[in-house]
Amino acid sequence: DTAVSQTPKYLVTQMGNDKSIKCEQNLGHDTMYWYKQDSKKFLKIMFSYNNKELIINETVPNRFSPKSPDKAHLNLHINSLELGDSAVYFCASSQRGQTDIQYFGAGTRLSVL
Amino acid sequence: GENVEQHPSTLSVQEGDSAVIKCTYSDSASNYFPWYKQELGKGPQLIIDIRSNVGEKKDQRIAVTLNKTAKHFSLHITETQPEDSAVYFCAASQSGSQGNLIFGKGTKLSVKP
Repeated sequence: DTAVSQTPKYLVTQMGNDKSIKCEQNLGHDTMYWYKQDSKKFLKIMFSYNNKELIINETVPNRFSPKSPDKAHLNLHINSLELGDSAVYFCASSQRGQTDIQYFGAGTRLSVL
Repeated sequence: GENVEQHPSTLSVQEGDSAVIKCTYSDSASNYFPWYKQELGKGPQLIIDIRSNVGEKKDQRIAVTLNKTAKHFSLHITETQPEDSAVYFCAASQSGSQGNLIFGKGTKLSVKP
């Protein structure tokens, strides 16, 4: 069983479109994250949700909107896609208060044309 | 905020040699230091971590050392094998806080047979 799963794995779209990436974890964790990895492999936190509540919101354009319907899911919706949004997006999860270990999904490679 | 510097950015070794990757951090409040391995096309996977109450931790061929005074921590891989080839990331955070993992920029390790 995959612990943290993201869909889709690849996403190719045109500038100006709206797209969503889904993430689910079956580890029973209470905290989920979205990271962006650019072409130089730099990993940066975008958002973090704890028990469906936003706890970290780094400087990310408001075209990016995370949604957590329950603590096992954290989806990322992106409006009006731009060329600079092309990157690999990783979802991760952890259990705060017990361990700081974050478990990552396999990533979604987004290409904006 | 926290800033993590990682060196070198690329490292090439012969199979059987040792590899050392070094990181420095800026925030003295950071007390959790994980290392992640990212293979091509996959998400980062935790390989070892250390907390600020210990100076060294080993797991088979992998060891991590921490110097809190100098704000340095290092990853040591002995008897390297071709399957150790990957990008390695160090990170720092405040354990259990609302803070997030701040990653170094990664080291691409190549182990030549």
